[in-house]
Parts: sequence; structure tokens; C-alpha cells
Amino acid sequence: DAGITQSPRHKVTETGTPVTLRCHQTENHRYMYWYRQDPGHGLRLIHYSYGVKDTDKGEVSDGYSVSRSKTEDFLLTLESATSSQTSVYFCAIGLAGVVGELFFGEGSRLTVL
Amino acid sequence: GQQVMQIPQYQHVQEGEDFTTYCNSSTTLSNIQWYKQRPGGHPVFLIQLVKSGEVKKQKRLTFQFGEAKKNSSLHITATQTTDVGTYFCAGKSGGSNYTLTFGKGTLLTVNP
Repeated sequence: DAGITQSPRHKVTETGTPVTLRCHQTENHRYMYWYRQDPGHGLRLIHYSYGVKDTDKGEVSDGYSVSRSKTEDFLLTLESATSSQTSVYFCAIGLAGVVGELFFGEGSRLTVL
Repeated sequence: GQQVMQIPQYQHVQEGEDFTTYCNSSTTLSNIQWYKQRPGGHPVFLIQLVKSGEVKKQKRLTFQFGEAKKNSSLHITATQTTDVGTYFCAGKSGGSNYTLTFGKGTLLTVNP
């Protein structure tokens, strides 16, 4: 079975500080995604990756960067966190090739004060 | 860009009543997926529809994909308290290579 570990699961930080969220998968799935979930907005794509060092922007990428130096790890970085980035962040992997079924991690709740 | 609209935003039912949520896209979709998210949980994949007019069933859940491949629905017969959660549709249009666009979801609550 596919396994995803997101860390940290909860984080409280202050405005202006950098934050990195990590998504680790136990299998060699090519496609990985970062979504944020906010009340009234559903799931919005931040960035995605279609291979090592291959990443692209989603619909809400401003203020975020990503890196994928290994197949199993996909990092999301907020260079200077703002209160508008308070959210629940979900990592997902594509299980069935291009835009097939997504398997989501358990989420990382970030609060920016 | 592609938009996926989902209605209703909320639905409260008595246990045993039926429930339907609808999904409409501004563009033709190559496929549509449905996910369920329990309160405090993460989205879990339910099903994918690919063909025009396709209908699939999972026990009390019936999923349909419209003939024009621009709309879809999820119908739950005789709801149970275990059905509580937010149901999301997500579609892929021809213009996006690797991504899905999610609807905002329908939150279903069930009164026992």
C-alpha cells in the first residue's frame, strides 16, 4: 500500500519566518502534489512535481516554493510566512499515472501568527 | 482557467433520506473523480469516471458522468451516519497535463 508521511503535522509560527513542510512517500510514485485547504475554498493546488527536479506551479503558488531532489521527498517552503498562509496543507501522490487516483497524506496544520 | 462548480455547499438530511451532490465544469473533462473527506480527516478517493454517460455504483452510492462530459453527480441512497463528510469532485480537462481541479465540496451531515 502507498504510504505518505507529512511533517510536521502541526506547526505554529510567526509572520516573516521561513517554514518547510515535508512530504515523504515510501514508494517510487512519479507524481506528487501540494494542496492547501481553507474553509469555503476546497482544495487548491499549490505546486506539483512530475519527477525529480521537475516541478510546476499550481493555481495558488505565490509565496511558495518546492523542491524534489529525491523521488520520495517533496518539500514545500514558505520563504516568509504570512497570516494568509494559515491553512491545512495536504500532500498527495498520483497512484495511477498522469492524473489518476490521488492518495492524500494526513495533512499539516500551519498557523501563522 | 478551468472551473469546477459543486452544489449544494451544505446538505443536512435525516438518516435514511437520499442525498445528491452535483458537479459542473466550465470545460469538457477527460475524466472526473470523487473523493470523501471525513471531519478532521484527509480526502479519500472513491471513484473515477471516464466515459460519456458512464454510471458506476458502489453499494448505496451511484456516480454518473454526463453525456457532454461537463457534469457529474453522486447520489447516496438511504443515508447513514457513516456517510457524514465532505464530498469533492475533481476533474481533468484537456488543457492540464498533470493536475486535477477540485470543486469546493458538499458537506453532508446526517441526523440519526
